[in-house]
Amino acid sequence: AQTVTQSQPEMSVQEAETVTLSCTYDTSESDYYLFWYKQPPSRQMILVIRQEAYKQQNATENRFSVNFQKAAKSFSLKISDSQLGDAAMYFCAYGEYGNKLVFGAGTILRVKS
Amino acid sequence: EPEVTQTPSHQVTQMGQEVILRCVPISNHLYFYWYRQILGQKVEFLVSFYNNEISEKSEIFDDQFSVERPDGSNFTLKIRSTKLEDSAMYFCASSEITGELFFGEGSRLTVL
Repeated sequence: AQTVTQSQPEMSVQEAETVTLSCTYDTSESDYYLFWYKQPPSRQMILVIRQEAYKQQNATENRFSVNFQKAAKSFSLKISDSQLGDAAMYFCAYGEYGNKLVFGAGTILRVKS
Repeated sequence: EPEVTQTPSHQVTQMGQEVILRCVPISNHLYFYWYRQILGQKVEFLVSFYNNEISEKSEIFDDQFSVERPDGSNFTLKIRSTKLEDSAMYFCASSEITGELFFGEGSRLTVL
């Protein structure tokens, strides 16, 4: 079964600085997707960024970018120019076509002003 | 922008009572899911639904749980006899085939 591991229960970053959240996963598949979801205090799950495994280029969405290392099964999220609104729980997730997502345990990100 | 809607946003119930959580997925999506999140913990998969039947379920999804798509738009999760440990946030999600799940805002269930 696929597993997703987030080894950082909590991270802190100063406003305007950069922070990287780690994620590793285990799978025997070659075609899959990886996602980062943000869960603010409202508890809604908001998609931050997605990466298709067949793409070598790392995905970027404005201040958010990923470092996808397929061979190492690593998928880290970099947040640049951190803002107070970035404070949330961040979940890494693994998925395959038409299948459920498997989530990591989450990383709480605190942003200091 | 299309979104997944869930009702109720919060329900309080007595242990042993039946609860139905409702969801309206995005209209052209084919796959539907229920997840739950006990406060402060990870998001756990309960069940997936495709082509009017359950495609996968977790060990959490025991005989007390059922899902239904009664009218082609709603997607419901029923808990037949709630237990204290069912208290959690329940998320409905839907997707096309491409893997990204769109989540509703969640239904918070409190069992007393």
